[in-house]
Amino acid sequence: DAGITQSPRHKVTETGTPVTLRCHQTENHRYMYWYRQDPGHGLRLIHYSYGVKDTDKGEVSDGYSVSRSKTEDFLLTLESATSSQTSVYFCAIRPGQGAFGNTIYFGEGSWLTVV
Amino acid sequence: EDQVTQSPEALRLQEGESSSLNCSYTVSGLRGLFWYRQDPGKGPEFLFTLYSAGEEKEKERLKATLTKKESFLHITAPKPEDSATYLCAVQAQQDNNAGNMLTFGGGTRLMVKP
Repeated sequence: DAGITQSPRHKVTETGTPVTLRCHQTENHRYMYWYRQDPGHGLRLIHYSYGVKDTDKGEVSDGYSVSRSKTEDFLLTLESATSSQTSVYFCAIRPGQGAFGNTIYFGEGSWLTVV
Repeated sequence: EDQVTQSPEALRLQEGESSSLNCSYTVSGLRGLFWYRQDPGKGPEFLFTLYSAGEEKEKERLKATLTKKESFLHITAPKPEDSATYLCAVQAQQDNNAGNMLTFGGGTRLMVKP
């Protein structure tokens, strides 16, 4: 158990509405990530964070923004949801130190459907 | 650009029938190669990290090996509970430590029948 909680776990929303997914971690890890997983594309990085208020773009960042105002929370926002953003979203953390400091651990996922 | 290709896409085995999954990669300096297991409706679960060619790691019926161009996940005498999707990912060497993100392959869906 990597101590990651994602919310909501399932959401259906309408095209054009804003959506925020929350990732909460209990271990004070510095590094946090948002990935999306789609058939035929595998897991792709959206955004990541390397500290409070320190974030950067990943491979598929268009249409997404993130915020990290405290160590334990990493928020992913879809400003105006589109059908192409229907996906499973995974939050992940990386301890950054210790024997498994380089390993990325994933949460249970958030299923988002945009209709 | 880092790339990871896994084969086969799907593999059906009888219980006890050993086999191997392949992960071919190209990366600009390998920091680590990771194997994950993913069950339906769940997040990826970490299995192994390999860092250099020739390295091997084992866990129960699974053994991961690494060369300079590919990694294999060997499954010995699999059981139905080994059925899952197995994901391979690479982590590239970077000048800074900010990202260290993973580039994933498409996965191999393993089905083990009793």
